[in-house]
Amino acid sequence: EDQVTQSPEALRLQEGESSSLNCSYTVSGLRGLFWYRQDPGKGPEFLFTLYSAGEEKEKERLKATLTKKESFLHITAPKPEDSATYLCAVQINQAGTALIFGKGTTLSVSS
Amino acid sequence: NAGVTQTPKFRVLKTGQSMTLLCAQDMNHEYMYWYRQDPGMGLRLIHYSVGEGTTAKGEVPDGYNVSRLKKQNFLLGLESAAPSQTSVYFCASRGPSEGGHNEQFFGPGTRLTVL
Repeated sequence: EDQVTQSPEALRLQEGESSSLNCSYTVSGLRGLFWYRQDPGKGPEFLFTLYSAGEEKEKERLKATLTKKESFLHITAPKPEDSATYLCAVQINQAGTALIFGKGTTLSVSS
Repeated sequence: NAGVTQTPKFRVLKTGQSMTLLCAQDMNHEYMYWYRQDPGMGLRLIHYSVGEGTTAKGEVPDGYNVSRLKKQNFLLGLESAAPSQTSVYFCASRGPSEGGHNEQFFGPGTRLTVL
């Protein structure tokens, strides 16, 4: 069964305290791995797509990496505005299919 | 561009009532999706469409119907609402796979409560 697991469920950081969020997956054929940010009461906002092991992408304080079994979202020197729920999702290798989401990691950054 | 829009934003129904949620996108996307999001469950796919006039079942389709009569619109219907359908509903769309752009763009959500 295709599955996506995110850890930890919740993470509290001090401003400037770097850390990583984990997304592990077991799927029959990976077409792409996606990271989204979701603020309370809003829809998920696209951050990154990773397609192959070894790929990395960066955006401001965020950096996403991918291996054959997991992805990491590294947050460097976070600020309070980085507080949100971060969702990981995979698309399996079948045309038209939707994303399979993990349950998310809720990040709280305090000043 | 407005992106993906959803109406209504909030709705309260009584058990057994029916309603339709509307999703519209102005990005000329072929693919459209309906998800529901529940605490501790993550986002789960209800139905999806790979083009105008087509629909397919997702992970949790029971109790819902959909229609894609126009490319830009994707409707989600609840024929006889049940308390188990209390949730936040998100619509998403994406363009063709060519060019490597597989990301989905989400609407702001509809918060539905069934009493």
